[in-house]
Amino acid sequence: AQRVTQPEKLLSVFKGAPVELKCNYSYSGSPELFWYVQYSRQRLQLLLRHISRESIKGFTADLNKGETSFHLKKPFAQEEDSAMYYCALSDSSYKLIFGSGTRLLVRP
Amino acid sequence: DVKVTQSSRYLVKRTGEKVFLECVQDMDHENMFWYRQDPGLGLRLIYFSYDVKMKEKGDIPEGYSVSREKKERFSLILESASTNQTSMYLCASVTGSYEQYFGPGTRLTVT
Repeated sequence: AQRVTQPEKLLSVFKGAPVELKCNYSYSGSPELFWYVQYSRQRLQLLLRHISRESIKGFTADLNKGETSFHLKKPFAQEEDSAMYYCALSDSSYKLIFGSGTRLLVRP
Repeated sequence: DVKVTQSSRYLVKRTGEKVFLECVQDMDHENMFWYRQDPGLGLRLIYFSYDVKMKEKGDIPEGYSVSREKKERFSLILESASTNQTSMYLCASVTGSYEQYFGPGTRLTVT
């Protein structure tokens, strides 16, 4: 069955510290993977997708098919990065399967 | 710029009432989705629609129905609201590149 697992409900770091939000997936084929972010009082929005291999707001994510992971990383966290982060998986359709989310809190 | 709007930001309804949540997108997207968002559970797909008058069940369709009479509008209907349907409801439409654009959400409280 297709599943996305985000093991941490809350990740708290100090400003300037490295951040890694974990995401593991279960899927038999070649998935498309995404990270979505929801800042306080804002709508959910796409942060990045593995296929584009971009760095957005300093965040990167590498698809590791061997470990079935798609962890989100940033070398130096900023206070404005505090938000709810969701990892999501799409098969060949337009549907997304979301993880349960990780709340990132960056403390000053 | 894609815009997805939802009819209400906050809604309070009584148990047993029929509830309509409306979603409108202005980018001529064919695919639209309804999710509910609950703490610790993430987003769960209720229903989706690939085209006008077409609908498919998602993972948690029980207690819900949908209507898509026009391409830009996708409505979620709670036939008889119950307290366990208290949640944040998110609508999304999808571009050809698989990116989902979300509305601001409707926080529904059923008392």
